[in-house]
Amino acid sequence: AQKITQTQPGMFVQEKEAVTLDCTYDTSDPSYGLFWYKQPSSGEMIFLIYQGSYDQQNATEGRYSLNFQKARKSANLVISASQLGDSAMYFCAMREGRTGNQFYFGTGTSLTVIP
Amino acid sequence: NAGVTQTPKFQVLKTGQSMTLQCAQDMNHEYMSWYRQDPGMGLRLIHYSVGAGITDQGEVPNGYNVSRSTTEDFPLRLLSAAPSQTSVYFCASSTSYRDREGGYTFGSGTRLTVV
Repeated sequence: AQKITQTQPGMFVQEKEAVTLDCTYDTSDPSYGLFWYKQPSSGEMIFLIYQGSYDQQNATEGRYSLNFQKARKSANLVISASQLGDSAMYFCAMREGRTGNQFYFGTGTSLTVIP
Repeated sequence: NAGVTQTPKFQVLKTGQSMTLQCAQDMNHEYMSWYRQDPGMGLRLIHYSVGAGITDQGEVPNGYNVSRSTTEDFPLRLLSAAPSQTSVYFCASSTSYRDREGGYTFGSGTRLTVV
């Protein structure tokens, strides 16, 4: 079974609108961390936001927030007030606490912001 | 600048040739790893290390070797290049393999083409 599933290969959003990128995960470990990374066309991987499995509140980092629904095992990324510079690939990832030796990545979502 | 340094950025190899992708970090991170990124498949773990002298296989280790003689360096060796190894390779490091909050710092990537 896939550890991380991103079901949206491509998404479009109008500039200044909000967009939600979906991510579901699969783990039996009660301790885990969830991450989102951005990969612009230049290729580098940029850390965006982190959510711990025991965190009571949803994580926020500026215009990024993580909609964490533990019972549904989902960790959707919400980008508010989209900007042209947000056009990129976005990867959801998980690190399990039991070993922590591996990050599991989803296949990514390509986001295009339309002016 | 502190971070993860990967060299080279681009490389073309002939089938059967060998080469080493270099990775160095100056953040005293315990955990280092190599991923390959292929279209539609996200990032797949090749090998990882939890400290000097300790390495282990990831999801797709065949055709690659690693060693970790120092905390700073984690080279990836392609033993006999094959066209299937054409990919973008990322080195990444983090503070602690048992810290679920340990996010990755990525290198800038190596684009490898095997002809």
